Amino acid sequence: NAGVTQTPKFQVLKTGQSMTLQCAQDMNHEYMSWYRQDPGMGLRLIHYSVGAGITDQGEVPNGYNVSRSTTEDFPLRLLSAAPSQTSVYFCASSYKRGGYNEQFFGPGTRLTVL
Amino acid sequence: KQEVTQIPAALSVPEGENLVLNCSFTDSAIYNLQWFRQDPGKGLTSLLLIQSSQREQTSGRLNASLDKSSGRSTLYIAASQPGDSATYLCAVAMEYGNKLVFGAGTILRVKS
Repeated sequence: NAGVTQTPKFQVLKTGQSMTLQCAQDMNHEYMSWYRQDPGMGLRLIHYSVGAGITDQGEVPNGYNVSRSTTEDFPLRLLSAAPSQTSVYFCASSYKRGGYNEQFFGPGTRLTVL
Repeated sequence: KQEVTQIPAALSVPEGENLVLNCSFTDSAIYNLQWFRQDPGKGLTSLLLIQSSQREQTSGRLNASLDKSSGRSTLYIAASQPGDSATYLCAVAMEYGNKLVFGAGTILRVKS
């Protein structure tokens, strides 16, 4: 299994540009999430999904859109990039089996908005 | 709103020492608590997960405890090694474990 994969690893955008961060998992997990990590802070939840066709907002959803058309993929879209969105973005997935629900994280995408 | 605090923010110890990392949270209605390790420029690796009904979990030289009523967890690392140098993150899971609330982490340096 490849686990959770993210592309690209690095990206530089200009203010106002749009882009999509890709996330895929091959573990047949129901739950997928996006987090951002900023210096000196813990990871913060952006959006999450409990299954195909179902998404919901996390703590910091403004400026981001998501969709979940398949179990495997959960892309994150930045509609109009702003310097405040400079961060490292992590995708995570998890299952629920017998009440034990471990989160698996991708390697991250480092985004810089100029 | 759930808040997670990790103390200390940074820790430097000589190789071989036993050490304790602390995590506290404000809302005891958690589903589980996870400890992660993050190496510089890398993703997160899960170390231990404690369900809300459990008191502790062990994996090798690592032991994590959970006192849900007091909102505290500790990660104990025995006989520390330079390879243990990393940032350690504590996260509590709300709902079914899908929504994690993270602490800011403890940066650990083990000197040889």
